[in-house]
Amino acid sequence: AQRVTQPEKLLSVFKGAPVELKCNYSYSGSPELFWYVQYSRQRLQLLLRHISRESIKGFTADLNKGETSFHLKKPFAQEEDSAMYYCALSNQGGKLIFGQGTELSVKP
Amino acid sequence: DADVTQTPRNRITKTGKRIMLECSQTKGHDRMYWYRQDPGLGLQLIYYSFDVKDINKGEISDGYSVSRQAQAKFSLSLESAIPNQTALYFCATSESGTGALNTGELFFGEGSRLTVL
Repeated sequence: AQRVTQPEKLLSVFKGAPVELKCNYSYSGSPELFWYVQYSRQRLQLLLRHISRESIKGFTADLNKGETSFHLKKPFAQEEDSAMYYCALSNQGGKLIFGQGTELSVKP
Repeated sequence: DADVTQTPRNRITKTGKRIMLECSQTKGHDRMYWYRQDPGLGLQLIYYSFDVKDINKGEISDGYSVSRQAQAKFSLSLESAIPNQTALYFCATSESGTGALNTGELFFGEGSRLTVL
């Protein structure tokens, strides 16, 4: 079965601290993984995708097939990073399966 | 700007009533989706459509039906609403393509908040 698990509902850090949002997945094929973000009063939008190996707004995520993980990391959190983050997996059928979401709160 | 528009944005209804949520897009995308968002459960896929003649059930299709009236329009219906269908509903679109062409990027509407009393 295809599944995406985000174990933390809420993650609270202070400004300047490192942040890691956890994502684990189960999928029998070759997964395509993504992170989506929803800022307050904004639409859900794509943050980054593993296939691009990009860094967006200082965030990076590495696909670890051995641990079936795709954790999102940022070395120094900023207050404007406060948002809801969703990890998502795309299967061969082209649809996206989302995790439960993690709310990141960055305190001043 | 090309957009994904959902109507209504907010709706309160009673148990047993029929409700339709509408989605229209000007992005020219072939693929359209309906998700519901519940606290602690994230986004769950209800139905999706890869073109006008293609309709597929998602993870939680029971109690819902959809209609793809045109490439640009995808409606979600609750034939007889019940309180546990109270949620925030999102429509999304994406470009067609598979494998390397499937970027996986969905473009979301602003959401329709439905309350069933």
